[in-house]
Amino acid sequence: AQTVTQSQPEMSVQEAETVTLSCTYDTSENNYYLFWYKQPPSRQMILVIRQEAYKQQNATENRFSVNFQKAAKSFSLKISDSQLGDTAMYFCAFMKQFNTGNQFYFGTGTSLTVIP
Amino acid sequence: GAGVSQSPRYKVAKRGQDVALRCDPISGHVSLFWYQQALGQGPEFLTYFQNEAQLDKSGLPSDRFFAERPEGSVSTLKIQRTQQEDSAVYLCASSLTEAFNEKLFFGSGTQLSVL
Repeated sequence: AQTVTQSQPEMSVQEAETVTLSCTYDTSENNYYLFWYKQPPSRQMILVIRQEAYKQQNATENRFSVNFQKAAKSFSLKISDSQLGDTAMYFCAFMKQFNTGNQFYFGTGTSLTVIP
Repeated sequence: GAGVSQSPRYKVAKRGQDVALRCDPISGHVSLFWYQQALGQGPEFLTYFQNEAQLDKSGLPSDRFFAERPEGSVSTLKIQRTQQEDSAVYLCASSLTEAFNEKLFFGSGTQLSVL
């Protein structure tokens, strides 16, 4: 079974500062994808960043970057120069492919508040 | 359409009522997923369609839950004889293909409250 754990239910950060959200996962698979999704109050899940397990290089998207440690099964998200619009729930997700299609497993989320 | 559209945005039902939740995926998207998100939790998988075929319904919590996608586009999630534990946000997501590296696009969900 695949599990995704986010151990920080809530976090806060001052505007313009840097914050890191933690995520660990458990799987016996070798090839999979990892994602960070943002869910603002509008409820729509928005893809922040994704990482393929085979790629050693950490993914980066503008102010968002990950620290992917495959052996430790850790996938943390770093947000640099935090902005008020970053306030949202953040979900870490794991995806593997079954013969019936792709399957996603989500963590319980971290509520991030950016303080002006 | 421009994005995944779900309706209604909010639904209040009395215990025992039947409800139907609609999902309009992005036009041309082959894969469609339904997720249930309880308060304070992450989304949990309910069911998956590839075109009109329901390939995986292992996440449906009981036989009161039924999903269909008869023409391979719009999907409906039906819950019969609703119970209070069915209260949650129901999210729909679609992707262009079933390929492993395909991106998933989510709708804004339907918040169901069962009184």
